[in-house]
Amino acid sequence: DTAVSQTPKYLVTQMGNDKSIKCEQNLGHDTMYWYKQDSKKFLKIMFSYNNKELIINETVPNRFSPKSPDKAHLNLHINSLELGDSAVYFCASSQALGFEQFFGPGTRLTVL
Amino acid sequence: TQLLEQSPQFLSIQEGENLTVYCNSSSVFSSLQWYRQEPGEGPVLLVTVVTGGEVKKLKRLTFQFGDARKDSSLHITAAQPGDTGLYLCAGELLNRDDKIIFGKGTRLHILP
Repeated sequence: DTAVSQTPKYLVTQMGNDKSIKCEQNLGHDTMYWYKQDSKKFLKIMFSYNNKELIINETVPNRFSPKSPDKAHLNLHINSLELGDSAVYFCASSQALGFEQFFGPGTRLTVL
Repeated sequence: TQLLEQSPQFLSIQEGENLTVYCNSSSVFSSLQWYRQEPGEGPVLLVTVVTGGEVKKLKRLTFQFGDARKDSSLHITAAQPGDTGLYLCAGELLNRDDKIIFGKGTRLHILP
C-alpha cells in the first residue's frame, strides 16, 4: 500500500540516451511534483502538476519533459542525457499546493 | 539566490545533548514545513507551521515559526542516535502559492 511509488529506483545510462522515470500516487492527491536532489543533498523543485495541468515549471532544460496522463501519475522524460543530470530525482504529491507533501523513495540516475 | 538559509550545515554532537537548527529568510512565508530525510529515502514531513509565533512539539522536537513568518527553528532535546539524518525546511512564499522553496538542509549526526 505504498503511497508514492517511483520506478526505477536506480537508472544507469550513457550520455545522449533518452530515459523516463515513472511516478504514481494512490493518495487521491491533486498535486504532484518532481524534485532533483544533487550530490550535496540540495532539493530543488523542477515541475508541479495540479489535476494534470502544469503549474510550476522552474528553470529546467527543455530536455526534461513531464507528462501527466492522469492525476495519479506524473512521469518525467529526459532526452539527450548529460553527465550533469546525474542526481536523485524525487516525486512527491500533496492534496493541493501548499499542503504537506509525501515523497517517493527516489530514483538515482547515473549518467556515464 | 538561496531564499531559505539553513544553519548549521553540519552538526555532530553526543547523545543526550540539546541542539537547535535554524531556517532563515528575508522573505515571508505563508507556511513552513520541516522534513527529515534518511540516506536512500525520500524526505518525510515532520511538521507544518502556519501562524507567526507558533510552537509545535513532536516528542523531543520543538518547532517554532518566527513572529514575522520569515524564520523557523527546530530544537531537539536529549538527542538520540535515531535523530541522525538530514533536516530540511521548506516554505511556501506568501502570495506566491506556486513557489515552494527548500533549504539546503542540516546534516545531523548523533554520536552514541
